[in-house]
Amino acid sequence: AQTVTQSQPEMSVQEAETVTLSCTYDTSENNYYLFWYKQPPSRQMILVIRQEAYKQQNATENRFSVNFQKAAKSFSLKISDSQLGDTAMYFCALAAQGGSEKLVFGKGTKLTVNP
Amino acid sequence: GAVVSQHPSRVICKSGTSVKIECRSLDFQATTMFWYRQFPKQSLMLMATSNEGSKATYEQGVEKDKFLINHASLTLSTLTVTSAHPEDSSFYICSARVFGADVGYGYTFGSGTRLTVV
Repeated sequence: AQTVTQSQPEMSVQEAETVTLSCTYDTSENNYYLFWYKQPPSRQMILVIRQEAYKQQNATENRFSVNFQKAAKSFSLKISDSQLGDTAMYFCALAAQGGSEKLVFGKGTKLTVNP
Repeated sequence: GAVVSQHPSRVICKSGTSVKIECRSLDFQATTMFWYRQFPKQSLMLMATSNEGSKATYEQGVEKDKFLINHASLTLSTLTVTSAHPEDSSFYICSARVFGADVGYGYTFGSGTRLTVV
């Protein structure tokens, strides 16, 4: 079974500052993908960043980057130069390859960017 | 690319009636569709996985007779909430796994349906 844990229910950051959201996971599979999704008040799920487990290099997407520590089963998200539009719920998710490949979510972190 | 259209976005129904929610993949074939339920300020809880042409696989604790899932084609999956009751009021989201040269590996989501049972 796959589990995803987000230990920070809420976080806040000042505009233009940097914030890091934590995520740990557990899976017995060797091949899997990790994701960070953003859910703004509209509730549309938006992909922020994706990491393939077999890649050692940390994924980056503009202001968003991850720190993927495979041995520690840690997958944190760093948001640089935070913007007001980054205010949203952020979910860490895991999909193991093989089988149903269902996406398992953490409980989420509510991020507020303050002006 | 890889867009999933979900309808309706909002629905209010009377207790005891049934409601159907549709998810269509617009520009790709969705072999597998996932259905989630989300309570306010909570995470997405997987209800079931549907595969085109076969019976859905329900997660433990989800009533298959109450939440009927049909995936009759590669572009359409439906969730029917039967004999709805106020406790079924929630936000329902569908998702499809996608894989391709342009989108890579991932999951695309419908915009969700807010169901209110009165």
